[in-house]
Amino acid sequence: AQTVTQSQPEMSVQEAETVTLSCTYDTSENNYYLFWYKQPPSRQMILVIRQEAYKQQNATENRFSVNFQKAAKSFSLKISDSQLGDTAMYFCAFAAPSTSGTYKYIFGTGTRLKVLA
Amino acid sequence: DVKVTQSSRYLVKRTGEKVFLECVQDMDHENMFWYRQDPGLGLRLIYFSYDVKMKEKGDIPEGYSVSREKKERFSLILESASTNQTSMYLCASSLPFSKNIQYFGAGTRLSVL
Repeated sequence: AQTVTQSQPEMSVQEAETVTLSCTYDTSENNYYLFWYKQPPSRQMILVIRQEAYKQQNATENRFSVNFQKAAKSFSLKISDSQLGDTAMYFCAFAAPSTSGTYKYIFGTGTRLKVLA
Repeated sequence: DVKVTQSSRYLVKRTGEKVFLECVQDMDHENMFWYRQDPGLGLRLIYFSYDVKMKEKGDIPEGYSVSREKKERFSLILESASTNQTSMYLCASSLPFSKNIQYFGAGTRLSVL
C-alpha cells in the first residue's frame, strides 16, 4: 500500500528565517508525482509545488523548493525568507495512476506551520 | 482561474437524514474528487470520477455514494447520515493523466447531530 508520512504535526519559524518540512512516502510505483499543498486558515487548499518522479532536478517556485531523494523516498519542502502569509497547514501528497488511469492522490496528515513576527 | 464551488460552507443534519453535497467546477476538468478532512488524519479519498457517469472508489467509500450526471457537477451522497460522518468535506477537480494538479473547493463543514 502507498503511504505518505509527515512526522512534524506542528512547526514554527521566525519571519524571514528558513524552515524545512519533512515528508516520506512508500510506493512500488515508478510513475508518480509528488506535491506540497498549502491550506491557509479558513481558506482553500492551493498547490505550492509539484515534482515529477522521473525528473532528478529538484523543483523550485520562488521561495519554495524541494529536496527530492528518490532512493530514500523523501520529499521535503524548504521555505526561505518566511512570511506571515506562509502560516498554514501544509500537506505532502503522492499521486500515481489508478486502474482507470486517473491519478489518485494519497495525502499525509499535515504539518501546521506558524510564522512568528 | 479554475473555480471549484461547493454549494454549502456549513451544514447541520440529523442522524438518518439523506444528505447531498454538491460540487461544481468551471474548467471542463475530466476528473473530480471527494475527500474528507479530519484532524490528525489528513485528507482521505472517498470517491472520484474520471468521466460522466464513471466513478471509482477511494480509500473510505463506506456510507457514501456519488453521482456525476454532467461533467461540471459531482455530488456526494450520504444515504443515512451518522455522527461519525461529521467532518470537513473537500471537493477537487483536475485534468487527466499527467496534467494532474488538483484544484480544491472551499470545503463543506458537515455536522451530524
